[in-house]
Amino acid sequence: ETGVTQSPTHLIKTRGQQVTLRCSSQSGHNTVSWYQQALGQGPQFIFQYYREEENGRGNFPPRFSGLQFPNYSSELNVNALELDDSALYLCASSYMGVEQYFGPGTRLTVT
Amino acid sequence: DQQVKQNSPSLSVQEGRISILNCDYTNSMFDYFLWYKKYPAEGPTFLISISSIKDKNEDGRFTVFLNKSAKHLSLHIVPSQPGDSAVYFCAASGDGANSKLTFGKGITLSVRP
Repeated sequence: ETGVTQSPTHLIKTRGQQVTLRCSSQSGHNTVSWYQQALGQGPQFIFQYYREEENGRGNFPPRFSGLQFPNYSSELNVNALELDDSALYLCASSYMGVEQYFGPGTRLTVT
Repeated sequence: DQQVKQNSPSLSVQEGRISILNCDYTNSMFDYFLWYKKYPAEGPTFLISISSIKDKNEDGRFTVFLNKSAKHLSLHIVPSQPGDSAVYFCAASGDGANSKLTFGKGITLSVRP
């Protein structure tokens, strides 16, 4: 059984640029959630995708957007990057359960 | 407003002793509570969960206790091992499958050999 994978591992971008982060869900999981973890904080919910539709969104501006594909993999897109977007971005997958299973994350640095 | 609070940033215990990690919450609508463990450069790993209709759930060395009236839960690790040294996050979930998780800030556990 393959776990949740994310790419890239690390990324450095300049303020104002756009970035795309990718996630492959665990085998058999049809739901993907994205979280942002700032330094010294717990993960914060960005949004969730279920069967290719957004299924809930946290307190993040519209420049954070996402997609889910028919194979349940997902992308997180962030436009007009700001310095405060520097964080660890975590993807989690689940299937009809409370438990969510996380990938290793993508470390984004905005300079 | 933080709905899930882990007020102690760190805990240090001796190998073989009990580790007790505490968590408080404010939202009485939470239906499930979960504990995750996180090592550096890895994603959080699910440890154990408890439904709001229960007051205890046990899995090997890990036991979670829930006190709904106090809006408090705790994770007990017995016996503690050096490999348990990590950051532990308490998380809460609403009703229904695939509900979003609301996390605390985490507590760093160090188990001394």
